[in-house]
Amino acid sequence: QVQLQESGPGLVKPSETLSLTCTVSGAAIGTYFWSWLRQSPGKGLEWIGYIYDGRSATYNPSVGSRVTISLDRSENQSSLKLTSVAAADTAVYYCARGIDCSSSSCYLDFWGQGIRVTVSS
Amino acid sequence: SYVLTQPPSVSVAPGRTATITCGGHNIGGKSVHWYRQKTDQAPVLVIYYDRDRPSGTPERFSGSNSGNTATLTISRVEDGDEADYFCQVWDRSTNHVIFGGGTKLTVL
Repeated sequence: QVQLQESGPGLVKPSETLSLTCTVSGAAIGTYFWSWLRQSPGKGLEWIGYIYDGRSATYNPSVGSRVTISLDRSENQSSLKLTSVAAADTAVYYCARGIDCSSSSCYLDFWGQGIRVTVSS
Repeated sequence: SYVLTQPPSVSVAPGRTATITCGGHNIGGKSVHWYRQKTDQAPVLVIYYDRDRPSGTPERFSGSNSGNTATLTISRVEDGDEADYFCQVWDRSTNHVIFGGGTKLTVL
């Protein structure tokens, strides 16, 4: 059974860097597309980006140059870094496994439970 | 960028059929995926590639996609189906994942 678990600080100060980790079990991080998404309070889902091992990541222009997604094969983890955070970045952040994201149509079949991150001084 | 439009809310009585739409320009030419999100839980994939069901999705859930509208249909609605439902596509031209705004299904 594939399981994903997000971890990281629940509180980040404005202008600082948000760093989250997604630990994957039941699937090799070197295969599939590993995505990050977020959901602001009372809002819909926003895709942040995804990465496939050996390829450059693809990001949502809404977060632009502030975001970096990476993989750590040795730890079977994916990481998200978001710089210069502001109150608008307050959200529940999810990691998810992507399928077929380079061929036909990307869908997300397994999700982590999410981690709530608040940006506040 | 590609836009998906969903009705904010749909209400249905138990045992009846719920229909949730997802509109987009020529969406019939794309593959649509649907997620259910219950309160304070992570989204769960319920339909992929327009009409396929992952293991665990009841047969009461079905999907279709044609023209400018994709549809998620839930037959014999139960109280436990109450949730937010999101449609999603992949924009091949940008390699971006795009979500609809979500539809809150209320079981009366």
